[in-house]
Order: sequence, then structure tokens, then C-alpha cells
Amino acid sequence: GDSVTQTEGLVTLTEGLPVMLNCTYQTIYSNPFLFWYVQHLNESPRLLLKSFTDNKRTEHQGFHATLHKSSSSFHLQKSSAQLSDSALYYCALRGTQVVGQLTFGRGTRLQVYA
Amino acid sequence: GPKVLQIPSHQIIDMGQMVTLNCDPVSNHLYFYWYKQILGQQMEFLVNFYNGKVMEKSKLFKDQFSVERPDGSYFTLKIQPTALEDSAVYFCASSLVGGASETLYFGSGTRLTVL
Repeated sequence: GDSVTQTEGLVTLTEGLPVMLNCTYQTIYSNPFLFWYVQHLNESPRLLLKSFTDNKRTEHQGFHATLHKSSSSFHLQKSSAQLSDSALYYCALRGTQVVGQLTFGRGTRLQVYA
Repeated sequence: GPKVLQIPSHQIIDMGQMVTLNCDPVSNHLYFYWYKQILGQQMEFLVNFYNGKVMEKSKLFKDQFSVERPDGSYFTLKIQPTALEDSAVYFCASSLVGGASETLYFGSGTRLTVL
């Protein structure tokens, strides 16, 4: 079945440094969609980014990611971390035909320090 | 942005009892979902619901689970009877349409503890 791997459980950074959160996936579906959700403390997971076509970069709120089917990856990046970026980040895959079925990774907690 | 509300945020019950988790989806959305997240693990799809019916459910959606949305009110997940392994955070989500790239809007979850 489908799977998503987020290799880091916790990433700690000093404010101003670049952010990269890893996400790789496995699916037999030839046209997957990948998503990044962010969950701040005591809030709902909300969509941060979603993929478009292969090798096309998508950006929102300073974050960006590019779907690379060749490496089955959709890493999340930001050039300069802010304190407010501290949150839990989930990578999710829509690989099946089942409506609304996302396969989530375990999440990466990003902690940004001053 | 659009919000999905879940009530209650926490629920503690004794094993064998019935529990109903309530979800108020985004008002014009047509598709509804439940996900389950056991502590330390990833969120996992349970079920989707459209036009008054379950379309698909995962193997995690046990016979003791049921969902409904009577007359456009809350979208509910009922567990009867509960078991210890049902302890988890349950997330409700909704979407306007069911396309592959459609955004799901999640609630903040109900933490269910079965004693």
C-alpha cells in the first residue's frame, strides 16, 4: 500500500536559518498528489502546500516544495525560519482512488529558537 | 479560512460504553471524513461519506463504528461498544468536492480515552 516517510521526528533551528523537512513516498499510483499540512499547538492541521505537476515548484507563505517523481520526494523548504514556524508538519499523499484518503507521514516537529 | 469544529475536544469513557463524536463541517462542503491518530503514530483514514452514505471505509473502520449526518446537522462518529484500542485522537475533515487534489479541511480533533 501507499506510504509516506518523514525521516526527522524533531528539527530544531535558530531563527533565520534555512528549513528543510524531508518527505518521501511510495505508491503505485502514477499520478500522486502530495500535500504539506501544518498544525500549530491546539489548532487544526491546515493545508500549507500541495503539489502540482512533476518538477514544478509550489510556494505559499514563504515555504516551497517541488514534487520529484524520479526520487519520490516532496521536501518542504524555507529560506529563513521564523519563531512562528514552530509547529508540527505532516506530509501526506493522495495516491489511491479512494475519495479523501490521504496517507500521512508521522510528522516532523519544527522548533525554532531565537 | 474555513473551519471544521469538533465537539468535545476530550472525552473519557469506560470500555464497553457508547461514544458519539461530533463534527460541524465547513458549511457548503459535501464530502466528510474521519481519521484516527493513535499516540505517536500517523493519522489514518477511517471512512468517507457523501450524499448520506458511506462510500469507502478502511480496515480500521470496525463493525462497532458507524457514521451519519442526519438532516445536515453534525457529522457523527459513533463507537458502540468501545474498546481499549479505540483510544486515539479522531479528526474530522470535509471537502467541497472529491477530486484527487482537493484540499481537506480538518478539525482540531477529539481525544478519546477509553478506560
